[in-house]
Amino acid sequence: GQNIDQPTEMTATEGAIVQINCTYQTSGFNGLFWYQQHAGEAPTFLSYNVLDGLEEKGRFSSFLSRSKGYSYLLLKELQMKDSASYLCAVVSRNYGQNFVFGPGTRLSVLP
Amino acid sequence: DTEVTQTPKHLVMGMTNKKSLKCEQHMGHRAMYWYKQKAKKPPELMFVYSYEKLSINESVPSRFSPECPNSSLLNLHLHALQPEDSALYLCASSQDPSGGVYEQYFGPGTRLTVT
Repeated sequence: GQNIDQPTEMTATEGAIVQINCTYQTSGFNGLFWYQQHAGEAPTFLSYNVLDGLEEKGRFSSFLSRSKGYSYLLLKELQMKDSASYLCAVVSRNYGQNFVFGPGTRLSVLP
Repeated sequence: DTEVTQTPKHLVMGMTNKKSLKCEQHMGHRAMYWYKQKAKKPPELMFVYSYEKLSINESVPSRFSPECPNSSLLNLHLHALQPEDSALYLCASSQDPSGGVYEQYFGPGTRLTVT
């Protein structure tokens, strides 16, 4: 089976940096996605990691360590609009390359 | 066009009703998905269609019946639902996952309430 864990809630201040962690246990690992979901809206793609290391995309970066079963999403220069849920999704060859989502982290950005 | 559309946006139905949810994409994607999402929970995979054929059914009750009439359309037929089936139903599409790992594009969802 697969086990994915994320902190339930986080709070940060506008302009700050926040790191959202995702740990996973799976066999046949074949990549990890990060999605952002505002309340009542569709999840939108943020990043994809399949190899170890850091992927940077503007204010958002994502890191992966396959040996540790660990990823994080780093959000810089936080804005109020970043208040949302952040979902990590693990892809496994043993699960038909389909997504298994972690529980999600609800981020609140305060002024 | 990177949009997945879903209709209706909101649906209220009784436990004896029959209704359908619709999803459409025009990105040429050959994989389409139905997810169920309860409040403050992550999306849970229900069905996967690959090249218009059902490839995964995650032990979903038979009161949910998926249909893929063509490569752009995905339906979810609902019959005799229970109040606990109330949730946000998300449709997604991607390039065929048997060829690799691809981003999924999600629609805005249908907010379903069963009374």
